[in-house]
Amino acid sequence: GENVEQHPSTLSVQEGDSAVIKCTYSDSASNYFPWYKQELGKGPQLIIDIRSNVGEKKDQRIAVTLNKTAKHFSLHITETQPEDSAVYFCAAIKAAGNKLTFGGGTRVLVKP
Amino acid sequence: GAGVSQSPSNKVTEKGKDVELRCDPISGHTALYWYRQSLGQGLEFLIYFQGNSAPDKSGLPSDRFSAERTGGSVSTLTIQRTQQEDSAVYLCASSLVSTPSTDTQYFGPGTRLTVL
Repeated sequence: GENVEQHPSTLSVQEGDSAVIKCTYSDSASNYFPWYKQELGKGPQLIIDIRSNVGEKKDQRIAVTLNKTAKHFSLHITETQPEDSAVYFCAAIKAAGNKLTFGGGTRVLVKP
Repeated sequence: GAGVSQSPSNKVTEKGKDVELRCDPISGHTALYWYRQSLGQGLEFLIYFQGNSAPDKSGLPSDRFSAERTGGSVSTLTIQRTQQEDSAVYLCASSLVSTPSTDTQYFGPGTRLTVL
């Protein structure tokens, strides 16, 4: 089955700096890669996603890149703010698949 | 519009008791998923319902776990004879699934289960 590795497990950045989280996946049939943000006591919330037919997608301060050859994808957060502090999860799923395989999560702390 | 809702938000039970967790998916979403989030295990898939098809139960950890979805909407996850290792946050998600590749899943707030 699919295996998703996520690094780093924790990330501390100064407000205004950039944060980068990297994930690798094992199943070349995976074609949809969402990123979720989870705040304390809440469920994961989708923040951005990318499909295998594109290499990069951007939405304001967040962007995701995908390298299908190397089977890795990354989340980039620019101009970080204290409200970006949360746990971020990457995930992967195959076409017509029915279950997300999640990375282990990255706890991001943005220091004011 | 309303998102995925789950109840109760917290549940404390004694070892050996049965518990039922409820999920109300987003209106119109045909697919429903249950995941478990526990310390050290991350987010694990439990079960998937899609329309009237037979559910995918491949993630259920033991036969003490079962789930049903009535009328293609509300779902109940039941854990019988709870054990301390069942303590976790149980998350429900739903997706529209208008095409096979459209699998954006939206999560509810979860139910935190504590087994004493």
